[in-house]
Amino acid sequence: DAMVIQNPRYQVTQFGKPVTLSCSQTLNHNVMYWYQQKSSQAPKLLFHYYDKDFNNEADTPDNFQSRRPNTSFCFLDIRSPGLGDAAMYLCATSNRAGGTGELFFGEGSRLTVL
Amino acid sequence: GDSVTQMEGPVTLSEEAFLTINCTYTATGYPSLFWYVQYPGEGLQLLLKATKADDKGSNKGFEATYRKETTSFHLEKGSVQVSDSAVYFCALKETSGTYKYIFGTGTRLKVLA
Repeated sequence: DAMVIQNPRYQVTQFGKPVTLSCSQTLNHNVMYWYQQKSSQAPKLLFHYYDKDFNNEADTPDNFQSRRPNTSFCFLDIRSPGLGDAAMYLCATSNRAGGTGELFFGEGSRLTVL
Repeated sequence: GDSVTQMEGPVTLSEEAFLTINCTYTATGYPSLFWYVQYPGEGLQLLLKATKADDKGSNKGFEATYRKETTSFHLEKGSVQVSDSAVYFCALKETSGTYKYIFGTGTRLKVLA
């Protein structure tokens, strides 16, 4: 009954070779998030969508881009991965702005950069 | 801005010991509060939540009470098990009309048999 599904679970890429991570949800939530997490540190928000409205965090590098073609899917594109981009990337959803509901996370995609 | 402060880890306990992980927050208004757990190599799972003052969230033997007067949401469990070994994150949902959640730095718990 997975509700937030991330693919791939593990991704190995070479320095500078573009990568796309995907996230799909069956919850019909209108807010989707991408977080970066290193070494069990707190997840760091990269950006989020409210429906199709894109919200970028001020400190998210330009190297990170995102697309949300429909309610169910969201993609994270890393245009030129560096060694410092090796991390776990977490997708999450929530029901709506102003609600008290929790975030629902996927299992994560672990990115290794060689 | 809003923030969450969590006790530093790692915390190492023997099986059946009592657990407390402290969490305090700074926020405008009364945010919803959460505890998430992360097992190795996995995403974060909601452990429990509380949405207003004096609410007690509970799940799997874990409890936390929303204390407005001390702006705290401490996690407790009366008797930990080896399977509780994980990283625990305290979090709040901003009340400022954004859709953002603020996380603490996480506390690693190791339970020894």
